[in-house]
Amino acid sequence: EAQVTQNPRYLITVTGKKLTVTCSQNMNHEYMSWYRQDPGLGLRQIYYSMNVEVTDKGDVPEGYKVSRKEKRNFPLILESPSPNQTSLYFCASSPVPGTGDDGYTFGSGTRLTVV
Amino acid sequence: AQSVTQPDIHITVSEGASLELRCNYSYGATPYLFWYVQSPGQGLQLLLKYFSGDTLVQGIKGFEAEFKRSQSSFNLRKPSVHWSDAAEYFCAASGGYQKVTFGTGTKLQVIP
Repeated sequence: EAQVTQNPRYLITVTGKKLTVTCSQNMNHEYMSWYRQDPGLGLRQIYYSMNVEVTDKGDVPEGYKVSRKEKRNFPLILESPSPNQTSLYFCASSPVPGTGDDGYTFGSGTRLTVV
Repeated sequence: AQSVTQPDIHITVSEGASLELRCNYSYGATPYLFWYVQSPGQGLQLLLKYFSGDTLVQGIKGFEAEFKRSQSSFNLRKPSVHWSDAAEYFCAASGGYQKVTFGTGTKLQVIP
């Protein structure tokens, strides 16, 4: 089944403790992206990657890191989480944007709470 | 700046009634346009997309959307709503080889 898999689904952590949210897709998509969803703000892009070793900042990159060493994986790293990073996070992938088939496939989300 | 506006935060309709969710975009050129649905506790699922050609686009679950260039709109419609359609709906746009911009969403409540 074509899918984007995120782990964990739920995570509670303490301020300053480094964490990684994993994301993996099995569709050979070139484009991957991380979003955070907050009430009233919709989805805001954190980082995106056009291909292996190619990443760029989205709208709200502060406090986050990403890497794209393999095509299928795009982990999101919070080096020193803070309470304002409490949110619902989504990973998404698509064939290269701008083509005739660039709707996203989304993961099921990771609900992160930083206390 | 590129933007997508969904003016209705919350909409309530009766089961069996028709539905229209509004979406307006502001882009330099005609963008690629999408509608997604998010059921509670789930990720977003693509309902339909518009790239070019016929301005009336058919999607999954009986939804359709109409692109109107003159109004910079891409409204989502369904002739008869089912209780299972209760969810949050997001309009999105992309300039092609650029990031996708999402609206803030419209929550749909369906009453019996």
